Amino acid sequence: KQEVTQIPAALSVPEGENLVLNCSFTDSAIYNLQWFRQDPGKGLTSLLLIQSSQREQTSGRLNASLDKSSGRSTLYIAASQPGDSATYLCSLFKAAGNKLTFGGGTRVLVKP
Amino acid sequence: GAVVSQHPSRVICKSGTSVKIECRSLDFQATTMFWYRQFPKQSLMLMATSNEGSKATYEQGVEKDKFLINHASLTLSTLTVTSAHPEDSSFYICSAGTADEQYFGPGTRLTVT
Repeated sequence: KQEVTQIPAALSVPEGENLVLNCSFTDSAIYNLQWFRQDPGKGLTSLLLIQSSQREQTSGRLNASLDKSSGRSTLYIAASQPGDSATYLCSLFKAAGNKLTFGGGTRVLVKP
Repeated sequence: GAVVSQHPSRVICKSGTSVKIECRSLDFQATTMFWYRQFPKQSLMLMATSNEGSKATYEQGVEKDKFLINHASLTLSTLTVTSAHPEDSSFYICSAGTADEQYFGPGTRLTVT
């Protein structure tokens, strides 16, 4: 059974600092890995999707890496802003079974 | 991008009543939709997979008779919480998509009093 762990569970940084969010998983046979953002009481917004054959994806200030051999993904957010405050969820998709498995999330607070 | 809507966004009901939540894919057809629930400060837990024209597949521990799922068309899936109780109060989120990517609805906050 695939287990997805996100550390830390919560993170507070001053504005301008870079954010590093970690996601680890136990089964490396994944189809893709996706990072989401969730604001309180809201749905999920997809940030970055990394296919199994890729090692990283970038979008603006966001960069996500994937290392299947070590079962890890890292989401970097450069020059954090108060608007980046949210919960960030890592999810894995395994083609067999066709369903996502989510990590517990990291709650981020960027202080002005 | 693909858009998934949910209705209602919030609902308050009395214990013992049933509540229906709709999930619609607005600009694409979805043969498969997924229903999740999320408790405060916790992650999403998959409840069931809804397949158009066939019975839903429920995750272990999820009561199929309590959480009725109907996927009658390629753009609509419904989740009915039957005989709701306060412990069913939660945030319910649906998603729709393909093997490559899922698109999530905005969620429905259910409060059972």
